[in-house]
Amino acid sequence: RKEVEQDPGPFNVPEGATVAFNCTYSNSASQSFFWYRQDCRKEPKLLMSVYSSGNEDGRFTAQLNRASQYISLLIRDSKLSDSATYLCVVDPRGYALNFGKGTSLLVTP
Amino acid sequence: NAGVTQTPKFQVLKTGQSMTLQCAQDMNHNSMYWYRQDPGMGLRLIYYSASEGTTDKGEVPNGYNVSRLNKREFSLRLESAAPSQTSVYFCASSASDTNTIYFGEGSWLTVV
Repeated sequence: RKEVEQDPGPFNVPEGATVAFNCTYSNSASQSFFWYRQDCRKEPKLLMSVYSSGNEDGRFTAQLNRASQYISLLIRDSKLSDSATYLCVVDPRGYALNFGKGTSLLVTP
Repeated sequence: NAGVTQTPKFQVLKTGQSMTLQCAQDMNHNSMYWYRQDPGMGLRLIYYSASEGTTDKGEVPNGYNVSRLNKREFSLRLESAAPSQTSVYFCASSASDTNTIYFGEGSWLTVV
């Protein structure tokens, strides 16, 4: 059983829309949480870390809910360039990161 | 900045052939990783190395061997390639104190 679960999507949204993804994790001892972005046929790249108090980076907001063991990513005012796969990453052990399978987002004109 | 560099980018192998994927990082990171990514399966950890001189199995190590040659280099070897090893392979590295992971551009491997 995968330790990190994501809805694979695809999420199809129009430009300017707000979209949110959730990711659940199974290990309550998890300490580090991240969102990565992966473009088609490219390597994953760090989008943002997720902090306990929640954090924002421009149009992107990440939240952590330890009680329910999930993290979320909110994208406001979606752009065509936001089209990508978003990977949830959880690190309970410090060595090997656990990646979700990713959520596919397609922003349409 | 080079970051994580892996070679080759594309390779076609025949079943039973062997090959080594090379990876090097110039960020002075202690930890290095090899992942494979398959459609519908997401990224899966093959092997990792927490520091120079140590290696550990990940989620899917069967059919692979690794060598942490020095702090910079971490190679992945397929001794006898099988069609099930057709995949995209990513090398990655991270500093011990941040857990932020940086990936190479990937190696597309096809075994026929």
